[in-house]
Amino acid sequence: DSGVTQTPKHLITATGQRVTLRCSPRSGDLSVYWYQQSLDQGLQFLIQYYNGEERAKGNILERFSAQQFPDLHSELNLSSLELGDSALYFCASSPAGSDFSYEQYFGPGTRLTVT
Amino acid sequence: GQQLNQSPQSMFIQEGEDVSMNCTSSSIFNTWLWYKQDPGEGPVLLIALYKAGELTSNGRLTAQFGITRKDSFLNISASIPSDVGIYFCAGQHFYGGATNKLIFGTGTLLAVQP
Repeated sequence: DSGVTQTPKHLITATGQRVTLRCSPRSGDLSVYWYQQSLDQGLQFLIQYYNGEERAKGNILERFSAQQFPDLHSELNLSSLELGDSALYFCASSPAGSDFSYEQYFGPGTRLTVT
Repeated sequence: GQQLNQSPQSMFIQEGEDVSMNCTSSSIFNTWLWYKQDPGEGPVLLIALYKAGELTSNGRLTAQFGITRKDSFLNISASIPSDVGIYFCAGQHFYGGATNKLIFGTGTLLAVQP
Protein backbone atom coordinates (compact mmCIF):
# COMPACT_ATOMS: atom_id res chain seq x y z
CA ASP A 1 0.00 0.00 0.00
CA SER A 2 1.59 3.26 -1.20
CA GLY A 3 -0.54 5.46 1.06
CA VAL A 4 -2.04 7.25 -1.94
CA THR A 5 -5.79 6.74 -2.29
CA GLN A 6 -7.95 7.26 -5.34
CA THR A 7 -11.69 7.13 -5.83
CA PRO A 8 -13.60 5.77 -7.56
CA LYS A 9 -11.85 2.57 -8.64
CA HIS A 10 -14.02 2.24 -11.73
CA LEU A 11 -16.12 4.74 -13.62
CA ILE A 12 -18.36 4.08 -16.60
CA THR A 13 -19.98 7.02 -18.31
CA ALA A 14 -21.28 8.19 -21.65
CA THR A 15 -19.73 10.46 -24.23
CA GLY A 16 -20.26 14.13 -23.55
CA GLN A 17 -20.47 13.68 -19.82
CA ARG A 18 -18.27 15.13 -17.08
CA VAL A 19 -16.58 13.20 -14.27
CA THR A 20 -14.41 13.99 -11.28
CA LEU A 21 -11.61 11.78 -10.05
CA ARG A 22 -10.34 12.20 -6.53
CA CYS A 23 -6.91 11.63 -5.02
CA SER A 24 -5.55 11.85 -1.49
CA PRO A 25 -1.76 11.97 -1.30
CA ARG A 26 0.43 10.23 1.26
CA SER A 27 0.45 11.94 4.62
CA GLY A 28 2.93 14.82 4.48
CA ASP A 29 3.34 14.86 0.71
CA LEU A 30 2.87 18.28 -0.85
CA SER A 31 2.96 17.41 -4.53
CA VAL A 32 0.28 15.59 -6.47
CA TYR A 33 0.74 14.41 -10.04
CA TRP A 34 -1.85 13.06 -12.46
CA TYR A 35 -0.98 10.55 -15.15
CA GLN A 36 -3.00 8.87 -17.88
CA GLN A 37 -2.25 5.33 -19.02
CA SER A 38 -3.58 4.05 -22.31
CA LEU A 39 -2.54 1.14 -24.50
CA ASP A 40 -1.30 3.32 -27.34
CA GLN A 41 0.33 6.17 -25.38
CA GLY A 42 1.58 4.40 -22.26
CA LEU A 43 1.93 6.38 -19.04
CA GLN A 44 1.74 10.10 -19.74
CA PHE A 45 2.09 12.99 -17.34
CA LEU A 46 -0.91 15.31 -17.23
CA ILE A 47 -0.40 17.89 -14.50
CA GLN A 48 1.33 18.56 -11.17
CA TYR A 49 0.18 20.56 -8.18
CA TYR A 50 2.43 21.57 -5.34
CA ASN A 51 0.91 22.82 -2.11
CA GLY A 52 -2.21 24.05 -3.85
CA GLU A 53 -0.58 25.64 -6.86
CA GLU A 54 -0.20 24.33 -10.38
CA ARG A 55 3.47 23.54 -10.90
CA ALA A 56 3.83 21.75 -14.22
CA LYS A 57 1.67 20.76 -17.15
CA GLY A 58 2.02 17.94 -19.61
CA ASN A 59 -0.14 16.97 -22.56
CA ILE A 60 -3.35 17.71 -20.74
CA LEU A 61 -6.37 18.45 -22.89
CA GLU A 62 -8.24 21.71 -22.46
CA ARG A 63 -11.32 19.65 -21.55
CA PHE A 64 -9.41 18.41 -18.50
CA SER A 65 -8.66 20.44 -15.40
CA ALA A 66 -7.41 19.79 -11.91
CA GLN A 67 -7.06 21.46 -8.57
CA GLN A 68 -5.47 20.81 -5.21
CA PHE A 69 -7.33 21.80 -2.09
CA PRO A 70 -6.03 23.19 1.23
CA ASP A 71 -6.08 19.70 2.75
CA LEU A 72 -3.84 18.68 -0.20
CA HIS A 73 -6.26 16.27 -1.82
CA SER A 74 -6.66 16.76 -5.53
CA GLU A 75 -9.40 16.37 -8.08
CA LEU A 76 -9.10 15.80 -11.82
CA ASN A 77 -12.11 16.96 -13.80
CA LEU A 78 -12.74 15.51 -17.23
CA SER A 79 -15.46 17.08 -19.33
CA SER A 80 -17.09 16.57 -22.74
CA LEU A 81 -15.82 13.03 -22.57
CA GLU A 82 -14.91 11.18 -25.74
CA LEU A 83 -14.38 7.48 -26.37
CA GLY A 84 -10.64 8.10 -26.57
CA ASP A 85 -10.57 9.34 -22.98
CA SER A 86 -11.10 5.79 -21.77
CA ALA A 87 -7.95 4.96 -19.83
CA LEU A 88 -6.46 4.38 -16.43
CA TYR A 89 -5.88 7.60 -14.51
CA PHE A 90 -3.27 7.55 -11.79
CA CYS A 91 -2.46 9.98 -9.08
CA ALA A 92 1.01 10.06 -7.55
CA SER A 93 2.44 12.05 -4.69
CA SER A 94 5.85 13.04 -3.43
CA PRO A 95 7.20 15.12 -0.57
CA ALA A 96 8.60 17.60 -3.14
CA GLY A 97 10.41 20.47 -1.60
CA SER A 98 12.85 18.16 0.15
CA ASP A 99 16.25 17.93 -1.48
CA PHE A 100 16.35 14.19 -0.95
CA SER A 101 12.92 13.13 -2.04
CA TYR A 102 12.43 12.59 -5.73
CA GLU A 103 10.34 9.45 -5.62
CA GLN A 104 6.73 9.46 -6.67
CA TYR A 105 4.30 7.01 -5.11
CA PHE A 106 1.30 5.96 -7.12
CA GLY A 107 -2.27 5.29 -6.15
CA PRO A 108 -4.30 2.29 -7.35
CA GLY A 109 -5.82 4.27 -10.21
CA THR A 110 -9.27 4.97 -11.60
CA ARG A 111 -10.33 3.03 -14.67
CA LEU A 112 -12.51 5.29 -16.81
CA THR A 113 -14.65 3.75 -19.51
CA VAL A 114 -16.50 6.08 -21.85
CA THR A 115 -19.29 4.42 -23.86
CA GLY B 1 3.49 11.87 -25.80
CA GLN B 2 7.12 11.27 -24.96
CA GLN B 3 8.24 7.80 -23.94
CA LEU B 4 11.67 6.38 -23.26
CA ASN B 5 13.00 3.41 -25.22
CA GLN B 6 12.85 0.33 -23.03
CA SER B 7 14.02 -3.13 -24.02
CA PRO B 8 13.24 -5.86 -24.31
CA GLN B 9 9.54 -5.37 -24.89
CA SER B 10 8.79 -8.74 -23.32
CA MET B 11 10.60 -11.65 -21.74
CA PHE B 12 9.48 -15.21 -21.12
CA ILE B 13 11.84 -17.01 -18.78
CA GLN B 14 12.10 -20.01 -16.49
CA GLU B 15 11.95 -19.63 -12.73
CA GLY B 16 15.45 -19.16 -11.34
CA GLU B 17 16.83 -17.35 -14.37
CA ASP B 18 18.31 -13.86 -14.19
CA VAL B 19 16.69 -10.99 -16.07
CA SER B 20 18.13 -7.80 -17.53
CA MET B 21 16.33 -4.86 -19.03
CA ASN B 22 17.38 -1.36 -19.95
CA CYS B 23 16.07 2.06 -20.75
CA THR B 24 17.58 4.74 -22.96
CA SER B 25 16.83 8.39 -23.51
CA SER B 26 17.94 11.11 -25.87
CA SER B 27 18.03 13.57 -22.98
CA ILE B 28 19.78 13.67 -19.63
CA PHE B 29 17.94 12.92 -16.41
CA ASN B 30 18.73 13.78 -12.81
CA THR B 31 16.92 10.75 -11.43
CA TRP B 32 15.99 7.31 -12.71
CA LEU B 33 13.20 5.30 -11.12
CA TRP B 34 12.09 1.74 -11.72
CA TYR B 35 8.51 0.64 -11.16
CA LYS B 36 6.59 -2.64 -11.36
CA GLN B 37 2.96 -2.70 -12.35
CA ASP B 38 0.52 -5.58 -11.97
CA PRO B 39 -2.58 -5.66 -14.20
CA GLY B 40 -5.14 -3.06 -13.16
CA GLU B 41 -2.95 -1.76 -10.35
CA GLY B 42 -0.80 1.30 -9.86
CA PRO B 43 2.97 1.28 -10.46
CA VAL B 44 4.96 0.28 -7.39
CA LEU B 45 8.33 1.91 -6.85
CA LEU B 46 11.19 -0.60 -6.82
CA ILE B 47 14.40 1.41 -6.94
CA ALA B 48 15.39 5.08 -7.17
CA LEU B 49 18.76 6.25 -8.56
CA TYR B 50 20.13 9.74 -8.03
CA LYS B 51 23.71 9.86 -9.32
CA ALA B 52 25.41 8.92 -12.56
CA GLY B 53 27.17 5.57 -12.13
CA GLU B 54 25.17 4.72 -9.01
CA LEU B 55 24.43 1.04 -8.45
CA THR B 56 21.58 0.27 -6.04
CA SER B 57 20.09 -3.00 -4.87
CA ASN B 58 16.73 -3.92 -3.40
CA GLY B 59 16.75 -7.62 -2.56
CA ARG B 60 17.14 -9.55 -5.80
CA LEU B 61 16.84 -6.35 -7.83
CA THR B 62 19.82 -4.26 -8.86
CA ALA B 63 19.63 -1.08 -10.91
CA GLN B 64 22.26 1.25 -12.31
CA PHE B 65 22.22 4.89 -13.34
CA GLY B 66 24.19 5.12 -16.57
CA ILE B 67 27.36 7.22 -16.70
CA THR B 68 26.00 9.34 -19.54
CA ARG B 69 22.80 9.98 -17.49
CA LYS B 70 20.86 8.92 -20.57
CA ASP B 71 20.31 5.30 -19.63
CA SER B 72 19.54 2.93 -16.80
CA PHE B 73 19.55 -0.83 -16.27
CA LEU B 74 17.57 -3.19 -14.07
CA ASN B 75 18.61 -6.72 -13.23
CA ILE B 76 16.53 -9.31 -11.43
CA SER B 77 18.37 -12.33 -10.11
CA ALA B 78 16.93 -15.79 -9.53
CA SER B 79 13.46 -14.88 -10.80
CA ILE B 80 10.38 -16.26 -9.07
CA PRO B 81 6.75 -16.47 -10.26
CA SER B 82 5.71 -13.35 -8.34
CA ASP B 83 8.16 -11.30 -10.42
CA VAL B 84 5.59 -11.47 -13.22
CA GLY B 85 4.37 -8.04 -14.29
CA ILE B 86 5.28 -5.02 -16.34
CA TYR B 87 8.43 -3.14 -15.42
CA PHE B 88 8.74 0.53 -16.25
CA CYS B 89 11.68 2.85 -16.08
CA ALA B 90 11.05 6.53 -15.51
CA GLY B 91 13.35 9.50 -15.91
CA GLN B 92 12.94 12.69 -13.98
CA HIS B 93 14.29 16.20 -14.24
CA PHE B 94 14.57 17.96 -10.93
CA TYR B 95 14.24 21.72 -10.81
CA GLY B 96 14.99 23.66 -7.66
CA GLY B 97 12.72 22.81 -4.78
CA ALA B 98 10.00 20.73 -6.37
CA THR B 99 10.10 17.49 -8.25
CA ASN B 100 8.96 17.45 -11.81
CA LYS B 101 7.16 15.11 -14.11
CA LEU B 102 8.19 11.53 -14.78
CA ILE B 103 8.78 10.38 -18.33
CA PHE B 104 8.09 6.68 -18.55
CA GLY B 105 9.57 3.95 -20.66
CA THR B 106 7.52 1.74 -22.92
CA GLY B 107 7.59 -1.10 -20.40
CA THR B 108 8.96 -4.65 -20.28
CA LEU B 109 6.49 -7.47 -19.78
CA LEU B 110 8.02 -10.27 -17.73
CA ALA B 111 6.54 -13.75 -17.65
CA VAL B 112 8.07 -16.42 -15.42
CA GLN B 113 7.44 -20.09 -16.03
CA PRO B 114 7.46 -22.11 -12.77
